[in-house]
Amino acid sequence: ILNVEQSPQSLHVQEGDSTNFTCSFPSSNFYALHWYRWETAKSPEALFVMTLNGDEKKKGRISATLNTKEGYSYLYIKGSQPEDSATYLCAFEETSGSRLTFGEGTQLTVNP
Amino acid sequence: DTGVSQNPRHKITKRGQNVTFRCDPISEHNRLYWYRQTLGQGPEFLTYFQNEAQLEKSRLLSDRFSAERPKGSFSTLEIQRTEQGDSAMYLCASSLAVGALGETQYFGPGTRLLVL
Repeated sequence: ILNVEQSPQSLHVQEGDSTNFTCSFPSSNFYALHWYRWETAKSPEALFVMTLNGDEKKKGRISATLNTKEGYSYLYIKGSQPEDSATYLCAFEETSGSRLTFGEGTQLTVNP
Repeated sequence: DTGVSQNPRHKITKRGQNVTFRCDPISEHNRLYWYRQTLGQGPEFLTYFQNEAQLEKSRLLSDRFSAERPKGSFSTLEIQRTEQGDSAMYLCASSLAVGALGETQYFGPGTRLLVL
């Protein structure tokens, strides 16, 4: 059974704060690490797919880093806005095109 | 193309009834996945198809669950003799497998099932 863990479980920040979450995953048989944002009543939205150790990706105010040797990824949000409020999920992919193993998510609430 | 669609969005049923959900993937996507999410948990993999072939099934997919993708386009997930433990959000995703590393799986909005 693959173990994908995310921390913290939930986070409340003020508008304008910067924040980060952690995803830890098995360091063996790594293929890719996916980040999703899931707002209530909407479809999970793909943020990043990361495949190479040391990878850094950025999309607007959101960025992510990847360390496959030690099995962790960080997601950063700079200058949080209320519309960033969502659950952020990471998912570990072991072999191409097969199942994603998700963490339990980090629920972010940004207060205006 | 408006993305992955799922119908119905909500389903309430009584224990013991059969239910069927439909997923329409993004056009041209050859892979289609089903996941299930219960409260407080991340989505859990159920099964996936490449074109019409069902390539992998999770041990979560008991005998009461069956999935099909008859023409390699839309897919259905049927649950027979529903139990209260089947109450969950059922998510569908699709991807285009072209041999590149880490293809993105695009998710639909899910079907929320409540078994009374």
